[in-house]
Amino acid sequence: GQQLNQSPQSMFIQEGEDVSMNCTSSSIFNTWLWYKQDPGEGPVLLIALYKAGELTSNGRLTAQFGITRKDSFLNISASIPSDVGIYFCAGHRFPLRGGSQGNLIFGKGTKLSVKP
Amino acid sequence: DAGVIQSPRHEVTEMGQEVTLRCKPISGHNSLFWYRQTMMRGLELLIYFNNNVPIDDSGMPEDRFSAKMPNASFSTLKIQPSEPRDSAVYFCASSFRTGAGNQPQHFGDGTRLSIL
Repeated sequence: GQQLNQSPQSMFIQEGEDVSMNCTSSSIFNTWLWYKQDPGEGPVLLIALYKAGELTSNGRLTAQFGITRKDSFLNISASIPSDVGIYFCAGHRFPLRGGSQGNLIFGKGTKLSVKP
Repeated sequence: DAGVIQSPRHEVTEMGQEVTLRCKPISGHNSLFWYRQTMMRGLELLIYFNNNVPIDDSGMPEDRFSAKMPNASFSTLKIQPSEPRDSAVYFCASSFRTGAGNQPQHFGDGTRLSIL
């Protein structure tokens, strides 16, 4: 089935540093989403992207929907200890005629650790 | 606003027992999703419903798994009989789907299931 390749798998950075992570796919997506998951909790939506080329910010977070519709990146500026967690990208495929239209495909996640 | 509510938060039971996980989606949402999360496989979609109707259950691993959505505010995921390899965190998510496409999914905090 379809897969999203998310990288890096893990990052260990110093507080105050900027962070960048990305997702790529061999297939086109019509929506890209970025989620963060804290231990013992469900994924929480950070940013949603709906159009190719779209660049959206949410505080210190910035995400972009790639022009080819096959990739997206998430940047975190000036990281702080509470940024620790696992970040997931997710994509909605184009609707398939007569087929499943609701599937959200998730990447494997990027585990972020921030050293104070 | 109440988010997606799942119960129980934790379940420990012996193999062979029946397990029932419950989910209350966000009010007004018309799509509901069941996911399973493990270290090895990440987040996997098991089944999803639109307007209480199961649309795609291709992710349900075996006949031991079944899901129902008797009304717009309640869904269950049942495993009978349970096996140790079913141990995972099970998430429920909901979203609002229109003819224009899918709105982002919002997740509950999950049920951590351990089968001994």
